[in-house]
Amino acid sequence: DAGVTQSPTHLIKTRGQQVTLRCSPKSGHDTVSWYQQALGQGPQFIFQYYEEEERQRGNFPDRFSGHQFPNYSSELNVNALLLGDSALYLCASSRTGVTTGELFFGEGSRLTVL
Amino acid sequence: QKEVEQDPGPLSVPEGAIVSLNCTYSNSAFQYFMWYRQYSRKGPELLMYTYSSGNKEDGRFTAQVDKSSKYISLFIRDSQPSDSATYLCAMKNGGGGADGLTFGKGTHLIIQP
Repeated sequence: DAGVTQSPTHLIKTRGQQVTLRCSPKSGHDTVSWYQQALGQGPQFIFQYYEEEERQRGNFPDRFSGHQFPNYSSELNVNALLLGDSALYLCASSRTGVTTGELFFGEGSRLTVL
Repeated sequence: QKEVEQDPGPLSVPEGAIVSLNCTYSNSAFQYFMWYRQYSRKGPELLMYTYSSGNKEDGRFTAQVDKSSKYISLFIRDSQPSDSATYLCAMKNGGGGADGLTFGKGTHLIIQP
């Protein structure tokens, strides 16, 4: 049973560019959340997608946007990249209605902005 | 004041010792409490989940929640070198729904063989 898969694993961009990160949830999961983890910090909630709609959003600017597809996979897009966007971007999946907080995380996409 | 405070460490203990990891929080709306383990260059992995105040045990791990003091702990008994990792506490509001988790900074734990 494949867990949460993310791509790419590493990427380097320059300021002002745009990036798209991809996530496939664990089998049987229909909800995808995205988190940003800066070096030495805990993950910060960006947003959550369910039924192809953004259900909740953390304290991130509109430069961060996302999408969920009918097969539950998801994309995170970041426009006009800043140096401060350099971080590990984590995708987490869960089944809706499960309130235990049991998120299954992928291994992340490490973004470096130069 | 951050919503969740966690000492980043590093915390270094000898193999076999009991480890105590702690977080404090300020938001009374937090009702669900979790501990995640994160190895270097990996995603976080859920270790323990608790809802009510009190203790919950799972093997060598015990999670403790004191809502009146807004304080949570994770104890690891008979610590092993393979327990060396960063431990993240995480919390979410009650009422179910689409709440994201609020994480602490994480404590870097080193178990010396």
